[in-house]
Amino acid sequence: AQTVTQSQPEMSVQEAETVTLSCTYDTSESDYYLFWYKQPPSRQMILVIRQEAYKQQNATENRFSVNFQKAAKSFSLKISDSQLGDAAMYFCAYRSNTDKLIFGTGTRLQVFP
Amino acid sequence: KAGVTQTPRYLIKTRGQQVTLSCSPISGHRSVSWYQQTPGQGLQFLFEYFSETQRNKGNFPGRFSGRQFSNSRSEMNVSTLELGDSALYLCASSFGTSGVETQYFGPGTRLLVL
Repeated sequence: AQTVTQSQPEMSVQEAETVTLSCTYDTSESDYYLFWYKQPPSRQMILVIRQEAYKQQNATENRFSVNFQKAAKSFSLKISDSQLGDAAMYFCAYRSNTDKLIFGTGTRLQVFP
Repeated sequence: KAGVTQTPRYLIKTRGQQVTLSCSPISGHRSVSWYQQTPGQGLQFLFEYFSETQRNKGNFPGRFSGRQFSNSRSEMNVSTLELGDSALYLCASSFGTSGVETQYFGPGTRLLVL
């Protein structure tokens, strides 16, 4: 069965600095998609970034970028120039064509001024 | 374009009662998925509907059921509520034509069972 692991329950970063959140996954599929979702205190789940497994190029969305290592089954999220509004729970998620969306346990990110 | 809406936002019920939660997807989206979020179990998939048919189902007891209407709106029902059903219930929608489309989430319904 596919699993998603986030080994950092909590992380903290100073405003304007860079932080990297880790995610590993396990799958026997070759075609799948990976996501990072952000859940602020309002509890609304917001898509941060998405990566297709068949693409070698790492996805980037403004200050957010990923380091996708398919062979290592690793999918980390880098947040550059951190802002106070980035404080939230971050969930890594996996989905293949034949399966449901599977979430990791989340990483709580604190941003200090 | 309006986002995913869920009603009600908060609900308090007592054990043994039943509850119905509603989800309206983004206009044009035909797939609706439901998730349960608790501090202990995290985010768990309940079921997915597409064009009024259940397309995928998670490992929840039969007390949890759902349906989807012709306008893509979806409801989930929990019968004989237990204390452990207290959770945030999230609904997500997507176009549904591909199994790996991005899902967009609603604000959730927070259910408290006393």
